Amino acid sequence: GDSVTQTEGLVTLTEGLPVMLNCTYQTIYSNPFLFWYVQHLNESPRLLLKSFTDNKRTEHQGFHATLHKSSSSFHLQKSSAQLSDSALYYCALSNYAQGLTFGLGTRVSVFP
Amino acid sequence: GPKVLQIPSHQIIDMGQMVTLNCDPVSNHLYFYWYKQILGQQMEFLVNFYNGKVMEKSKLFKDQFSVERPDGSYFTLKIQPTALEDSAVYFCASSSGTVFSQNTLYFGAGTRLSVL
Repeated sequence: GDSVTQTEGLVTLTEGLPVMLNCTYQTIYSNPFLFWYVQHLNESPRLLLKSFTDNKRTEHQGFHATLHKSSSSFHLQKSSAQLSDSALYYCALSNYAQGLTFGLGTRVSVFP
Repeated sequence: GPKVLQIPSHQIIDMGQMVTLNCDPVSNHLYFYWYKQILGQQMEFLVNFYNGKVMEKSKLFKDQFSVERPDGSYFTLKIQPTALEDSAVYFCASSSGTVFSQNTLYFGAGTRLSVL
């Protein structure tokens, strides 16, 4: 079945440094849709980025990601982390019946 | 942006009791989902619901689970009877169309269920 693998556990970094969270996926569908959701403490998971197009960069709120079907990847990047980026990040794959298949989530903690 | 509300945010009950988790989806949305997240694990699909019917359910959606949305009110997840392994955070989500039609899932903040 479908699966999503992302950078595990906790990523800690200093404010101003770049951040990259890895995401790879497996699916039988030739045209998958990939998503990044972000969840701040005590809030709902909300959509950060989504992509349906191979090799096209998508950006939002300083974050960017490019869907690469050749490597089944959708890594999330930001050039300069801010304190407010501290949150839980989920990579997710569209699933025809189930809506989304999620990765385990990566907790990002940004320190001054 | 669009909001999905979940009530209550935390529920504590004794094993064997019934519990109902309530979800107020985005008003014009047609597709509804429940996901379960055990502490430290990923969110896993339970069930989706469209046009008054369960469309798909996972193996996590045990016989003790049921969902309904009577007359456009809350979309509910009922567990009867509850078991210790039902302790988790349950997320409700809704969308105006299917994900494969490039629609976005909007999530609630979750209900933390603790079964004692």
